[in-house]
Amino acid sequence: DAKTTQPPSMDCAEGRAANLPCNHSTISGNEYVYWYRQIHSQGPQYIIHGLKNNETNEMASLIITEDRKSSTLILPHATLRDTAVYYCIVRGMEYGNKLVFGAGTILRVKS
Amino acid sequence: DGGITQSPKYLFRKEGQNVTLSCEQNLNHDAMYWYRQDPGQGLRLIYYSQIVNDFQKGDIAEGYSVSREKKESFPLTVTSAQKNPTAFYLCASSIMGSDRTQYFGPGTRLTVL
Repeated sequence: DAKTTQPPSMDCAEGRAANLPCNHSTISGNEYVYWYRQIHSQGPQYIIHGLKNNETNEMASLIITEDRKSSTLILPHATLRDTAVYYCIVRGMEYGNKLVFGAGTILRVKS
Repeated sequence: DGGITQSPKYLFRKEGQNVTLSCEQNLNHDAMYWYRQDPGQGLRLIYYSQIVNDFQKGDIAEGYSVSREKKESFPLTVTSAQKNPTAFYLCASSIMGSDRTQYFGPGTRLTVL
């Protein structure tokens, strides 16, 4: 699985958009970009994933650059409950492919 | 509500005892996974299974055992052979189609006294 690089921490004002970047310069053609988040002492929560195109769901938007070497997770209107560690993961879809969680980005949403 | 349940949330055991962690899902997912998370660390894969009565070792299977007698259940036994069992244990499941997004349970925190 390709390695990802994320900033260790970010702050965001409540109600504003949170933009979390991720670099994955060694991603291969069949690998997806996944985002999960983990609130302290809870299981990771799936947010969104994509291959090439930008994706949007009820939680967030995922913007993937054309060369696929980086992506940005956007939480459009951050709330205090969005404070968590956000993990960007790159993985293929083969059976048994584990999720490799790096250090992630600690997002602090402040009122 | 569909989802993954893990019980208990907190578990304490004495050194030298085996303990079994429960994981149940009603998502009709074929594949199930067990991960371990240590403080400030990422997740490490222990075991995974794609079908009843079949499972494979992950990266850190030593000292653990699993069974998959039913599609919806994938219990993990932490044996006395596991040297450092105190950790946060997470169960996940996924379908076996083209989208194998893994969904996680709430976790069980095991403490060995």
